[in-house]
Amino acid sequence: NAGVMQNPRHLVRRRGQEARLRCSPMKGHSHVYWYRQLPEEGLKFMVYLQKENIIDESGMPKERFSAEFPKEGPSILRIQQVVRGDSAAYFCASSSSGGRTEAFFGQGTRLTVV
Amino acid sequence: GQQVMQIPQYQHVQEGEDFTTYCNSSTTLSNIQWYKQRPGGHPVFLIQLVKSGEVKKQKRLTFQFGEAKKNSSLHITATQTTDVGTYFCAGRVNRDDKIIFGKGTRLHILP
Repeated sequence: NAGVMQNPRHLVRRRGQEARLRCSPMKGHSHVYWYRQLPEEGLKFMVYLQKENIIDESGMPKERFSAEFPKEGPSILRIQQVVRGDSAAYFCASSSSGGRTEAFFGQGTRLTVV
Repeated sequence: GQQVMQIPQYQHVQEGEDFTTYCNSSTTLSNIQWYKQRPGGHPVFLIQLVKSGEVKKQKRLTFQFGEAKKNSSLHITATQTTDVGTYFCAGRVNRDDKIIFGKGTRLHILP
């Protein structure tokens, strides 16, 4: 059973370009969380999705950021018109339910905006 | 909004000494989880506590959940170099709620 797969592992974008980060949850998991982590800092909640639904996006910036988890395919975190301040590690985690189960993390995508 | 606070932010200990990190929530939690992140790695689940006053042990690690379900602690006995990393607590207010992480405690082991 493959773990949570994130790709790409490293992504370099120029200012103004778009960044697309993908997350394939563990098999059977329908709950996905996205977190952002700056160097030497904690995990900041961005968005919580269940299949095709955004449950909580209170941590997402109002502009340029969007997330989806379609019925088929991976969850996508999309950042439009990237700026230097978007440089960070973005982790996705999945769980089998939003209840009592643990979250399994992917290895993250390290985004660098140049 | 819901906050999970964790202290200390950093801890340096001599190898063989004990280590404790504390987690406090502004609201009552449905459950609390602990994760470990090695330098350059991703968070890995350690344990989950659900019941008020619950205590769980994993070898040298002891996890506690407070009676009011608002605080938790992780204690490591006789630290080893393999314990290096950042320890995060994470809580849920409701069963189907987002997981909110504390800022983590970064543990450094001095040989």
